[in-house]
Amino acid sequence: QKEVEQNSGPLSVPEGAIASLNCTYSDRGSQSFFWYRQYSGKSPELIMFIYSNGDKEDGRFTAQLNKASQYVSLLIRDSQPSDSATYLCAVNEGTSGGTGANSKLTFGKGITLSVRP
Amino acid sequence: SAVISQKPSRDICQRGTSLTIQCQVDSQVTMMFWYRQQPGQSLTLIATANQGSEATYESGFVIDKFPISRPNLTFSTLTVSNMSPEDSSIYLCSVTRGRDEQFFGPGTRLTVL
Repeated sequence: QKEVEQNSGPLSVPEGAIASLNCTYSDRGSQSFFWYRQYSGKSPELIMFIYSNGDKEDGRFTAQLNKASQYVSLLIRDSQPSDSATYLCAVNEGTSGGTGANSKLTFGKGITLSVRP
Repeated sequence: SAVISQKPSRDICQRGTSLTIQCQVDSQVTMMFWYRQQPGQSLTLIATANQGSEATYESGFVIDKFPISRPNLTFSTLTVSNMSPEDSSIYLCSVTRGRDEQFFGPGTRLTVL
């Protein structure tokens, strides 16, 4: 059974702080890693994806991947109240190369982030 | 990303009835995916729909309960059959773009009484 584990929440940070969200996965052969943001009553929105070890930065978001430790994280710098949402980590064991085949995502339970003004 | 629409956005149904959810994508895609998100839970993959072949179901999901159609490369339907209150969930379709990035539709919020 492939598993994706996220820190139990909720996580509360003050505005302007760095929020650190962590995720571990059980399948060592996993190839693709994703972070989704889900506001209450809305569908998940893809905010970051990472395929190679190391860091990937996009604006205030940085995804970090360490395949040896089977660990992926999301850092949110200068957190804003609008970042308050549930963040879902998802892992794909394969890669489709753009065809969609083998794109079977396993999701963590999610962690709720609250940014205090 | 992808532009995905779903119909209906929400519905309230009586137990024992069936509901068909439609998913429309703005451009052709090989695979479409159907997920379920039960209240307060994360997403669980129901099945993968490939145009021109039968859907592939995940463990715990069967075709008789969740029949799927995929008549062309931009459209799919998921039917929730013989519904019970335990089927109350958000049902989401998704597609991939780029290498493996998966994008979700707005979801269908189903309540079964």
